[in-house]
Amino acid sequence: AQTVTQSQPEMSVQEAETVTLSCTYDTSESDYYLFWYKQPPSRQMILVIRQEAYKQQNATENRFSVNFQKAAKSFSLKISDSQLGDAAMYFCAIIIQGAQKLVFGQGTRLTINP
Amino acid sequence: DAGVIQSPRHEVTEMGQEVTLRCKPISGHNSLFWYRQTMMRGLELLIYFNNNVPIDDSGMPEDRFSAKMPNASFSTLKIQPSEPRDSAVYFCASSLGRRPNEQFFGPGTRLTVL
Repeated sequence: AQTVTQSQPEMSVQEAETVTLSCTYDTSESDYYLFWYKQPPSRQMILVIRQEAYKQQNATENRFSVNFQKAAKSFSLKISDSQLGDAAMYFCAIIIQGAQKLVFGQGTRLTINP
Repeated sequence: DAGVIQSPRHEVTEMGQEVTLRCKPISGHNSLFWYRQTMMRGLELLIYFNNNVPIDDSGMPEDRFSAKMPNASFSTLKIQPSEPRDSAVYFCASSLGRRPNEQFFGPGTRLTVL
């Protein structure tokens, strides 16, 4: 079974600064995908970024990037130039290749201070 | 594209009543998922369908819960009888079968059972 742990229930950052959200996971599989989802107050789940485990290069989407450390089973999300609209719950998740079950962490609530 | 559509957005009912949640997946997607989100347990997969067939219902909490997918464009999640501990946000998500690692979520239904 897969597990995902987000050790930071809450984080805050000043607008325009950079913040990193932590995520660790556990799986015995070698082929899997990792995701960060954003859930704003509207509660809509929005995919922020994804990473294939077989790729060594860290994924980047505009101001969002990840630090994927496969050996350490770590998958952190870095948000650069934080904006007020980035305020939300952020969930880390894993899915095994060939399976369809997303396993989520407990989430990190990110606050952006103007 | 309209995205995944869920109805109702909010539902308030009394204990013992039957509740039916509805979902319309993205057109062309052949996998559909039902998730439940609570403060205590986070996001959990309840059941998912491939090509309208239930594949894994191990997350369904008990016999009071049932899900159907009579065709490719519609699914229901029914709770009968409902209990206060069923209060949660229920999400529907869909994906293309050949790329199961990209799940697109609906806006969710907030269920309150009094």
